[in-house]
Amino acid sequence: GAGVSQTPSNKVTEKGKYVELRCDPISGHTALYWYRQSLGQGPEFLIYFQGTGAADDSGLPNDRFFAVRPEGSVSTLKIQRTERGDSAVYLCASSLRGSGASYNEQFFGPGTRLTVL
Amino acid sequence: AQKITQTQPGMFVQEKEAVTLDCTYDTSDQSYGLFWYKQPSSGEMIFLIYQGSYDEQNATEGRYSLNFQKARKSANLVISASQLGDSAMYFCAMRVEYKLSFGAGTTVTVRA
Repeated sequence: GAGVSQTPSNKVTEKGKYVELRCDPISGHTALYWYRQSLGQGPEFLIYFQGTGAADDSGLPNDRFFAVRPEGSVSTLKIQRTERGDSAVYLCASSLRGSGASYNEQFFGPGTRLTVL
Repeated sequence: AQKITQTQPGMFVQEKEAVTLDCTYDTSDQSYGLFWYKQPSSGEMIFLIYQGSYDEQNATEGRYSLNFQKARKSANLVISASQLGDSAMYFCAMRVEYKLSFGAGTTVTVRA
């Protein structure tokens, strides 16, 4: 079956511009996560959705970052006034459930590589 | 807060030999899960193996095994009979409830 998909695969933008990154989770997965992976580092948690609501957005670095999941499926990560430090790979993952399961594998998408010039 | 430490930035291993990747973690939670992921140069995160904090036996998945020492808070990954296709970045991660925290990763290069 289809895995997690992310579009675009690559995005190059100029400093100060607005970008949207899209994530299509695995069908039926209620939990969705966004991570950011800077070069040479492990992914860092940004935000977790359970259904349509953001259950935990504590990882968003500042108020330029925002994410939505209006119908409980597709999610969009939005970055306003991009800065060069935002350059990274943005990974999306989904799982069948969020918390409450002892084993709850997160399936990752291929990521969107964002480059801010 | 959860912290994952991978002290080996890079390792070389001869084809067909075994390699051990170190991982230590720090948490005050009693219930947690430990994961290892492989990330090839193509960038996707591939799940390898899982160990629950209450699991008494070490997890195994084919050529991968997890050496779980709870008292030492370590969860080392052992890859047996290394193959050229094992060359990649390997991440140790810990999940508490829904949140995954990753280590900095170890780059493994398998030599023919």
